[in-house]
Amino acid sequence: AQKITQTQPGMFVQEKEAVTLDCTYDTSDPSYGLFWYKQPSSGEMIFLIYQGSYDQQNATEGRYSLNFQKARKSANLVISASQLGDSAMYFCAMRPFNNTNAGKSTFGDGTTLTVKP
Amino acid sequence: DVKVTQSSRYLVKRTGEKVFLECVQDMDHENMFWYRQDPGLGLRLIYFSYDVKMKEKGDIPEGYSVSREKKERFSLILESASTNQTSMYLCASSPLRVSANTEAFFGQGTRLTVV
Repeated sequence: AQKITQTQPGMFVQEKEAVTLDCTYDTSDPSYGLFWYKQPSSGEMIFLIYQGSYDQQNATEGRYSLNFQKARKSANLVISASQLGDSAMYFCAMRPFNNTNAGKSTFGDGTTLTVKP
Repeated sequence: DVKVTQSSRYLVKRTGEKVFLECVQDMDHENMFWYRQDPGLGLRLIYFSYDVKMKEKGDIPEGYSVSREKKERFSLILESASTNQTSMYLCASSPLRVSANTEAFFGQGTRLTVV
């Protein structure tokens, strides 16, 4: 069984500053993928970034980067140069590689990020 | 542009009513999913389907059923709605053949209130 823990129910950040959203996970699977999704107030879940457990380098996608520390089982999302439009709920999710159902992932409880002007 | 569409953004239903939540995807995906989202509980999988007329229970199937008569459409059914089913419901789809980094595509959610 897998478990995702997001310990920050809510976070605040000043516009243009960087923010880190925490995610730790627990799994007995040797290989897995980690995902971050953004959910604005409109409700739709938007895929942001992916990290594979065997990837040597931390993933980056524009202003998003993933601080992956495999030994600590953490996959924190870093948003640089925050914008007002980044205000949303963020979910960390995990799926073992042997699970071919891409949507059948384990999700954390989410972190609500508020960007202050 | 890929799309997963849920038929309603907001629904208000009475206790005991039979409720249908509809989801349609235009990406020819084999897999479709229904999640329930509650504060502090994250997303929990209710049911998923990997083919027409095929379904599997997720983590919290009690009180729900599903129907998949066509590949593009996946319906969630509350046979007799109860107040504890007041929640946000999210539909998602994904292709059957995935690589490790294949993400799921989500609809905009249906916020259901049972009174």
